[in-house]
Order: sequence, then C-alpha cells, then structure tokens
Amino acid sequence: AQKVTQAQTEISVVEKEDVTLDCVYETRDTTYYLFWYKQPPSGELVFLIRRNSFDEQNEISGRYSWNFQKSTSSFNFTITASQVVDSAVYFCAYSGAGSYQLTFGKGTKLSVIP
Amino acid sequence: DADVTQTPRNRITKTGKRIMLECSQTKGHDRMYWYRQDPGLGLRLIYYSFDVKDINKGEISDGYSVSRQAQAKFSLSLESAIPNQTALYFCATKPGTGLNTEAFFGQGTRLTVV
Repeated sequence: AQKVTQAQTEISVVEKEDVTLDCVYETRDTTYYLFWYKQPPSGELVFLIRRNSFDEQNEISGRYSWNFQKSTSSFNFTITASQVVDSAVYFCAYSGAGSYQLTFGKGTKLSVIP
Repeated sequence: DADVTQTPRNRITKTGKRIMLECSQTKGHDRMYWYRQDPGLGLRLIYYSFDVKDINKGEISDGYSVSRQAQAKFSLSLESAIPNQTALYFCATKPGTGLNTEAFFGQGTRLTVV
C-alpha cells in the first residue's frame, strides 16, 4: 500500500527565515500524483500544487517552491522568507493511477513567529 | 457560495445519538469523499462514491454509513455516536475523469461527541 511520511510534526521559524517541509512517499506504482495542501488556523484545506510522476521539474510560485525527486521518493516544499500568514498545517498527499483516492501524510504544523 | 458545502459546520451531540453530516457540491463532479481529521493523524478516508450507485468503504468505515442521494449530495451518518468519533470531518469532490486533478474540499464539520 502507498504511504506518505511527513517526519516533521511541528516546525517553528522566525519570520523571514526559509523553511523546508519534507515529504517522503512509498509506492510501487509507476504513474502517480503528489499534492500539497495548506490548512490555516481557520480549518479549510487549500490546494497548493500537484505533480505527476513523469514530471520532475521543480516548481516555483512566488515564495513557494517544490522539489520532486523520484530517486529519493521525496516531494519537499520550501517557503522562502516566511511570513506569519504561512503559519498552518501542511499536508502532503499521494494518488496512484487507478486509485482515485488521496492518501495523506500526517501533516506538519508550521509556526512562523514574528 | 462555496463549491463544496458542508452542514452543519459545528455540532455537539451525545453518545448514542444518530447524527447526519451533509455535503453538497456545485462543481458537477462525479466523485465524492468523506474524510476525518484527527490531530497528529492527518486525514483518513471513511467512504467514497464514484456515482449515485457506487459506494465504497475507505480505511476507517466502521461506525459510519453514507448515502449518495444525487450526484451533488453525499451524506455521512453516525448511527450511534461515540466519543472517539469526535473529529473534524471533510467532504471532498473530484472530477470523474482525469487522474491528476486535485480534490476540492468543503470547509469541514467539527463534531464533538460527549
């Protein structure tokens, strides 16, 4: 069965520091999809990014960047120059081809201290 | 209005009571899901449905039942609520085609069983 591991349970950084959230997955699928979601204190789940297994290009969106490496089965998320509004729980998720389900990691709670 | 709407948003109920959580969507998606979130455990799949005639158990279906009344409506029932069902519940939708699409989540229902 597929498994998603977010080893960092909680991280605290001071505002303007860079922070990387780790995500490691286990799968035997050759085709699969990876996602990141943000859950701010208000509780809703906000979609951030998806990546398919054939696309190892890193992606940057403003202060956010994602590093996907199939060789290490990792899909890490970096926030540059963190801000207080980045404080949230971040979830990494996996979906295998033919599965149509999302398997979530346990989440990493990020606290950005002013 | 939200594309995926959950009602109620908050509910306190007593042990042994029957309770229904409702989800409706305006996205026209075929696939609907119910997840529960517990602190430190991430989101776990309870039930999912690919259309009104297709209902499937997820990882933690014991103690729950669902009904897909229409393409747009998917309800989750707790027949006899117990305190360890206290959690944040999310409904989600996905299109019926395309494996690489993200799931769209409702705003969550916070359920407390006392």
